[in-house]
Amino acid sequence: NAGVTQTPKFQVLKTGQSMTLQCAQDMNHEYMSWYRQDPGMGLRLIHYSVGAGITDQGEVPNGYNVSRSTTEDFPLRLLSAAPSQTSVYFCASRAGQAIQPQHFGDGTRLSIL
Amino acid sequence: ILNVEQSPQSLHVQEGDSTNFTCSFPSSNFYALHWYRWETAKSPEALFVMTLNGDEKKKGRISATLNTKEGYSYLYIKGSQPEDSATYLCAFRGNTPLVFGKGTRLSVIA
Repeated sequence: NAGVTQTPKFQVLKTGQSMTLQCAQDMNHEYMSWYRQDPGMGLRLIHYSVGAGITDQGEVPNGYNVSRSTTEDFPLRLLSAAPSQTSVYFCASRAGQAIQPQHFGDGTRLSIL
Repeated sequence: ILNVEQSPQSLHVQEGDSTNFTCSFPSSNFYALHWYRWETAKSPEALFVMTLNGDEKKKGRISATLNTKEGYSYLYIKGSQPEDSATYLCAFRGNTPLVFGKGTRLSVIA
């Protein structure tokens, strides 16, 4: 099994550009989430989804959109990239019960110039 | 926003030393406490998920304890090895999605 797959691994954008970070999982997990990792900060939740068709905001949702049209995919869209969105982004998934551990992708390192 | 604190922020130990670090979390609305191990240039990997007060979990030389009444968990590593070098994250699950601490960065010197 591939687990959680994130693409791309690296990306450089100019301020104002838009892009989509892809996340796919093949474990039939209901719950998926997006985090950002910044120096000196813990993993901060951007958006999450408890199942196909359902999404909700996390701690730092501004500037990002998500959708969950299938169980497998949970893309994260940057609408108009800003330098403050330079970060490492991690997608994670878990089975339905909240006591289940999260499975993380390898991360996407994003730089906004 | 819930506060999940980990201490120390970083730690250097000699190979063979035993060590421990702390995760503090709210003592109300407790549902679960997660520990993850995060090696540089990799993604976090789950170590333990703990749900019951007084719970103890063990995986090889790594173990963890949980006190939900006072809001803390300890992670212990016995006989540290260089391959234990990593950042150890805890995450609290209450009635909101997981909230992560900032991690303890462990360096084991051979």
